[in-house]
Amino acid sequence: AAGVIQSPRHLIKEKRETATLKCYPIPRHDTVYWYQQGPGQDPQFLISFYEKMQSDKGSIPDRFSAQQFSDYHSELNMSSLELGDSALYFCASSLGLGAPSPLHFGNGTRLTVT
Amino acid sequence: DAKTTQPTSMDCAEGRAANLPCNHSTISGNEYVYWYRQIHSQGPQYIIHGLKNNETNEMASLIITEDRKSSTLILPHATLRDTAVYYCIVRVGETSGSRLTFGEGTQLTVNP
Repeated sequence: AAGVIQSPRHLIKEKRETATLKCYPIPRHDTVYWYQQGPGQDPQFLISFYEKMQSDKGSIPDRFSAQQFSDYHSELNMSSLELGDSALYFCASSLGLGAPSPLHFGNGTRLTVT
Repeated sequence: DAKTTQPTSMDCAEGRAANLPCNHSTISGNEYVYWYRQIHSQGPQYIIHGLKNNETNEMASLIITEDRKSSTLILPHATLRDTAVYYCIVRVGETSGSRLTFGEGTQLTVNP
């Protein structure tokens, strides 16, 4: 079965640079979620979109922005990168908004900021 | 969303059943119980979810107590590949607040 696809798998940036992470949801899924997981930490919710509109917002820094496009893929844009932004970034998708529809996660983008 | 409490770690022998408990004593009537697992640095993997009734799929069984204040995830025949962090998550069944909030899960180690 098709899964959530994230690109790139690995990304290395320097401080103050920008980065764009992409997420392609499971076909027919209309909701996407972004999570950040720092070393040794649990995944933290950043933001979600349903039908191209922001549906929920978590601890996303102001330096980050995201959007969902007409084909339902999503991009997370990160500017003025800091060392502390080094983490795994996961995207998830679901059919519909809210329970009981489960979230299905991609295998993440590992961002390293040097 | 209701908070959950899980043991920090558990061990299980390969081939035996793994029973992972979760306490969610403040759960509301419209909140679902979800279980996910994460194998080192991979994306969290959905396992199963339920509201009131016990549920079973090809991966696991979910037993929810009648008062819904606790649940148990059962992996019937654990293998070495089941070694992972298991998260029990309670999520409201409404359109708002659609996020999953990960807490501190249980590190399950399956031993040969």
